[in-house]
Amino acid sequence: EDKVVQSPLSLVVHEGDTVTLNCSYEVTNFRSLLWYKQEKKAPTFLFMLTSSGIEKKSGRLSSILDKKELFSILNITATQTGDSAVYLCGVSGGSNYKLTFGKGTLLTVNP
Amino acid sequence: EAQVTQNPRYLITVTGKKLTVTCSQNMNHEYMSWYRQDPGLGLRQIYYSMNVEVTDKGDVPEGYKVSRKEKRNFPLILESPSPNQTSLYFCASSTYAGGTNTEAFFGQGTRLTVV
Repeated sequence: EDKVVQSPLSLVVHEGDTVTLNCSYEVTNFRSLLWYKQEKKAPTFLFMLTSSGIEKKSGRLSSILDKKELFSILNITATQTGDSAVYLCGVSGGSNYKLTFGKGTLLTVNP
Repeated sequence: EAQVTQNPRYLITVTGKKLTVTCSQNMNHEYMSWYRQDPGLGLRQIYYSMNVEVTDKGDVPEGYKVSRKEKRNFPLILESPSPNQTSLYFCASSTYAGGTNTEAFFGQGTRLTVV
């Protein structure tokens, strides 16, 4: 059975801090790993990672994948209150391209 | 504008009364799926469809049905809803090429309450 585990489940930081969110996975025939941000609505896409060691960046957010150790990290530098959200990690795999999600990390950024 | 549209956004219904949640996408995506999201459990896949007339069960299919008669539409049917189906539901679509999915686009969500 495919499995995606995110840690921590919850995190509280102060504005300006840097955070690292973790996602480990066990998926048959890995295809891609995706990160989403979810505020009080639908998840919005952040990154898709398919190759090991290649960092994806968007502003203060960055992510990298390690296919040997089966994990990914999402970094957010200089956090702002607007970064408060649930961050979801999803992994696609198998012959049916099934997308399995972790339970998410709830990030709270206090002023 | 590329989008996935779900209706209704909110629904309160009674146990046993059949209902359908519609989902439509305008991106010509092959792959569509339904998820439910519950506190502490994350997003769990209910059903998915790899193309027209091709559907299969996800992780939590009991009590749900789907159909894929047209590429753009993927309705979720609850034949006899029960209170344990109270949840937030998301429809998503994506395409796949070169051996991987593209990003999944999500609908706005349907908050269903079964009393």
